[in-house]
Amino acid sequence: GQQLNQSPQSMFIQEGEDVSMNCTSSSIFNTWLWYKQDPGEGPVLLIALYKAGELTSNGRLTAQFGITRKDSFLNISASIPSDVGIYFCAGRNRENYGQNFVFGPGTRLSVLP
Amino acid sequence: DGGITQSPKYLFRKEGQNVTLSCEQNLNHDAMYWYRQDPGQGLRLIYYSQIVNDFQKGDIAEGYSVSREKKESFPLTVTSAQKNPTAFYLCASSKTSGEYNEQFFGPGTRLTVL
Repeated sequence: GQQLNQSPQSMFIQEGEDVSMNCTSSSIFNTWLWYKQDPGEGPVLLIALYKAGELTSNGRLTAQFGITRKDSFLNISASIPSDVGIYFCAGRNRENYGQNFVFGPGTRLSVLP
Repeated sequence: DGGITQSPKYLFRKEGQNVTLSCEQNLNHDAMYWYRQDPGQGLRLIYYSQIVNDFQKGDIAEGYSVSREKKESFPLTVTSAQKNPTAFYLCASSKTSGEYNEQFFGPGTRLTVL
């Protein structure tokens, strides 16, 4: 079956630093989503990617759809305390696996003041 | 405001009891989903429905049941057959037509079995 891996599992950074995380798949996807989840809350959609090589920004966040279609990357610039949370990636290949997404285990981000 | 609501936020259950978690959306989405989240793991799909009066099992459907009598509502029942029901439950919805049909999530229900 499909599996997603996220790296790193957790990270501690200083406020103001840039952050990079990635998501890799054992199979090809044609849609990637990135979510952020605060403790005790539902995930909030940050960025959606639909084409290989696509680079999309949302404020200080930038995500890229890897050209191999087996990976995606999320960067956060100039981190602030409210960036703390768990970042999930989700991928889908509608042609092969239908409508449903598969989710990664998440990257837990901590921002130190 | 358009969105997804889940109730209750916290739910406590005694062993052997069935409980029902509510999920409502006013986004006019055709598809609705239930996920279970355990610490350190990705979301696991319990059930999904792409149209009223139809639903399919996900990866971990055993011990759960659902219904989809209305487009807006997709309640999940956690039955006594679910061996380890303590978890955070998330409901999501999406469009089914067109290319762009991201999933949007509700705020979740935390179920604790006493």
